[in-house]
Amino acid sequence: EDQVTQSPEALRLQEGESSSLNCSYTVSGLRGLFWYRQDPGKGPEFLFTLYSAGEEKEKERLKATLTKKESFLHITAPKPEDSATYLCAVQDTGRRALTFGSGTRLQVQP
Amino acid sequence: KAGVTQTPRYLIKTRGQQVTLSCSPISGHRSVSWYQQTPGQGLQFLFEYFSETQRNKGNFPGRFSGRQFSNSRSEMNVSTLELGDSALYLCASTITGVQTGELFFGEGSRLTVL
Repeated sequence: EDQVTQSPEALRLQEGESSSLNCSYTVSGLRGLFWYRQDPGKGPEFLFTLYSAGEEKEKERLKATLTKKESFLHITAPKPEDSATYLCAVQDTGRRALTFGSGTRLQVQP
Repeated sequence: KAGVTQTPRYLIKTRGQQVTLSCSPISGHRSVSWYQQTPGQGLQFLFEYFSETQRNKGNFPGRFSGRQFSNSRSEMNVSTLELGDSALYLCASTITGVQTGELFFGEGSRLTVL
């Protein structure tokens, strides 16, 4: 059974204080790993897709990386508007549906 | 370009009742998936429809059902509601039948069962 574990559950940063979120996963075969951002009262918003170990994707202050067992979402010099819950999901080669982690709730204080 | 639209946004039901939720995908998107989100279980896959056919189903009881219409709009129904069905129900669409994980989510329908 596919499993996704995200840590930490919650993270509070000062504006400009860089950090990383972790996503550990177990799948029989990885088709893709996905990062989403979810704001309160909203649906998740797609950020990145990673397909193979060593791959990296960047968007503004966010950079996602992938190894064979985990993915990291690096946040460089965060701003208050980066506050949100960040969700990691995997897609197994044998399944269409995504398996989501429970998310990391990020709060960036000015 | 309009996003995924879900209605109603909020609803309150009592145990034993049934509920129907609606989802209009982004224009041109033919695949619609439904997810249940709760604080304890996170996001869990319910089912996926493509061209009016259910292609995949999660591990939910038969009380949860869905359908898709020829215009790609989708509905999900939950019968004989239980307290544990209280959740945010999210609909997501994607453009093709390709197994992409790049989903476009609506804002959800928040169901409270009393």
